[in-house]
Amino acid sequence: AQKITQTQPGMFVQEKEAVTLDCTYDTSDPSYGLFWYKQPSSGEMIFLIYQGSYDQQNATEGRYSLNFQKARKSANLVISASQLGDSAMYFCAMREGSGGSYIPTFGRGTSLIVHP
Amino acid sequence: DVKVTQSSRYLVKRTGEKVFLECVQDMDHENMFWYRQDPGLGLRLIYFSYDVKMKEKGDIPEGYSVSREKKERFSLILESASTNQTSMYLCASSFKRGFTEAFFGQGTRLTVV
Repeated sequence: AQKITQTQPGMFVQEKEAVTLDCTYDTSDPSYGLFWYKQPSSGEMIFLIYQGSYDQQNATEGRYSLNFQKARKSANLVISASQLGDSAMYFCAMREGSGGSYIPTFGRGTSLIVHP
Repeated sequence: DVKVTQSSRYLVKRTGEKVFLECVQDMDHENMFWYRQDPGLGLRLIYFSYDVKMKEKGDIPEGYSVSREKKERFSLILESASTNQTSMYLCASSFKRGFTEAFFGQGTRLTVV
């Protein structure tokens, strides 16, 4: 079974609008971290945002926020005020703690295209 | 500025060749990883290493081997390249413990002809 599921292969959004990229995860470990990465067409992976399993508040980094719903095991990325430069692949990832070995596990990714 | 550097951005190799992909990090990270990225499949872990000379198989180790003789360097070896190993290869590193992010190299796009 997949540990990280991203159900949206592709998403389109109008410039300046907000967009939500979905991510659900599967773990029995009480201690874990969730990450989002951006991969532009150039290929490099850029870390965006992190959420710890014990964090009470949703993480935010500038225009990025993580909508963390622990009971539903979801960690959706919200991008506010989309820009043309946000067009990229987005990957959700998880590192499990006590039961795992802190190896990052990735979803299949969502391709985001921002229209002018 | 922290860095993970992969030796080649693009490689073209012939079927049956032995191929070396090199990765160097300057962050004193214990963990190093090799992932393979294919469209629609995301990043799949080939091998990882948590210390010098230590290695563990990931999800798709068949046809690959690795070497870690120094902490900063992690090599991926394709013993006999095949066309189904044409892919993007990403190296990453991280601290061994805790939930810090992994840092990635720029990727190597390998084509086997």
